[in-house]
Amino acid sequence: EAGVAQSPRYKIIEKRQSVAFWCNPISGHATLYWYQQILGQGPKLLIQFQNNGVVDDSQLPKDRFSAERLKGVDSTLKIQPAKLEDSAVYLCASSSISGSLSYNEQFFGPGTRLTVL
Amino acid sequence: EDKVVQSPLSLVVHEGDTVTLNCSYEVTNFRSLLWYKQEKKAPTFLFMLTSSGIEKKSGRLSSILDKKELFSILNITATQTGDSAVYLCAVERNYGQNFVFGPGTRLSVLP
Repeated sequence: EAGVAQSPRYKIIEKRQSVAFWCNPISGHATLYWYQQILGQGPKLLIQFQNNGVVDDSQLPKDRFSAERLKGVDSTLKIQPAKLEDSAVYLCASSSISGSLSYNEQFFGPGTRLTVL
Repeated sequence: EDKVVQSPLSLVVHEGDTVTLNCSYEVTNFRSLLWYKQEKKAPTFLFMLTSSGIEKKSGRLSSILDKKELFSILNITATQTGDSAVYLCAVERNYGQNFVFGPGTRLSVLP
């Protein structure tokens, strides 16, 4: 079974530039998560999709971050304009659970390491 | 605000030692607690706990949950250098079935 794919793996930009990250979840997984992990901290949920609908985006800085999952499969996360404090690893994860009581295991992609200069 | 606290934040031991990592939480609508191991890449799943007092074991690793006192521990016996990693605790919430992560415990195992 192919895992969660993310690209690019690394990105270096200057502040005020824009950047986009792409994620392709495991086939058939309805739920997709984007996390921001700043060095030395645990992952922080930015946005959660179920199919192509947003379940939770309460921690997404909506003035500069946006995300979409138009066809309910792959997703993009955009930052515009970037700030120095956006330097972090952006992790995408997917799970197959959708409103059931079963165990909800997330599978993580390799992440995109963003450096904002 | 929901939060997950882990201690210690950093730990250095020698091979063969036994370690205990702690995770406490204040989360509304608790559903489950998960432990992950993160080396240089993405977190990999270790355990999922939903019931108090039932130990989960996998080789030298074991974990248990106390839902009354709102904490969990992860034990690693006979540590090896390959156990060096950040260990993350995450709590799954019923609403939205999403996760709150702790800051992690960075474990370094010296030969």
